[in-house]
Amino acid sequence: DTGVSQDPRHKITKRGQNVTFRCDPISEHNRLYWYRQTLGQGPEFLTYFQNEAQLEKSRLLSDRFSAERPKGSFSTLEIQRTEQGDSAMYLCASSPPRQARAGELFFGEGSRLTVL
Amino acid sequence: AQKITQTQPGMFVQEKEAVTLDCTYDTSDPSYGLFWYKQPSSGEMIFLIYQGSYDQQNATEGRYSLNFQKARKSANLVISASQLGDSAMYFCAMREWDAGNMLTFGGGTRLMVKP
Repeated sequence: DTGVSQDPRHKITKRGQNVTFRCDPISEHNRLYWYRQTLGQGPEFLTYFQNEAQLEKSRLLSDRFSAERPKGSFSTLEIQRTEQGDSAMYLCASSPPRQARAGELFFGEGSRLTVL
Repeated sequence: AQKITQTQPGMFVQEKEAVTLDCTYDTSDPSYGLFWYKQPSSGEMIFLIYQGSYDQQNATEGRYSLNFQKARKSANLVISASQLGDSAMYFCAMREWDAGNMLTFGGGTRLMVKP
């Protein structure tokens, strides 16, 4: 499978614990995005990487959230001291350097977080 | 104000019939792109169709077409000849060129195709 891969697919944790999600984009894609989707809502933008540089961050990305893409390939999203409000689906997407349709994203199946 | 508004939380359509999913948007940026994504129960968002703000023609992709009415700021998705596999959540999204690389999504419409 050569699509966007996310791990783990499901995570249940207790409030206050740290969690980390991993995203492996499509191999030739240099752009990587994280979105958060709560139940019944559309995805909300969190952050954007071009290669290893984190170029854009949403105000939704509080100081408990940190995202990295150290070698410009896979990315990790860490949430520290989780809160019940962090329960959501975390979606990763990637896109190639040149796009016929700017903004067309290729999404993974998401990592669902449940904070008890 | 909401950037993207989808007023239909749920829609039913009979198999083989056409259906229109509504989307209105709000922006002052003259350069923007409009997208529709499908999200089946597996969770993966699947790109369907794109319309640029300067495109003169309405976009079409197979059974999908986008009814772009710029003055009304609407970008409705038309699905022709509905199939059972079209049952999913559908999201309208916009990228404003002055706002960087983020897509802003609407709240979605759940489409259910009846056999």
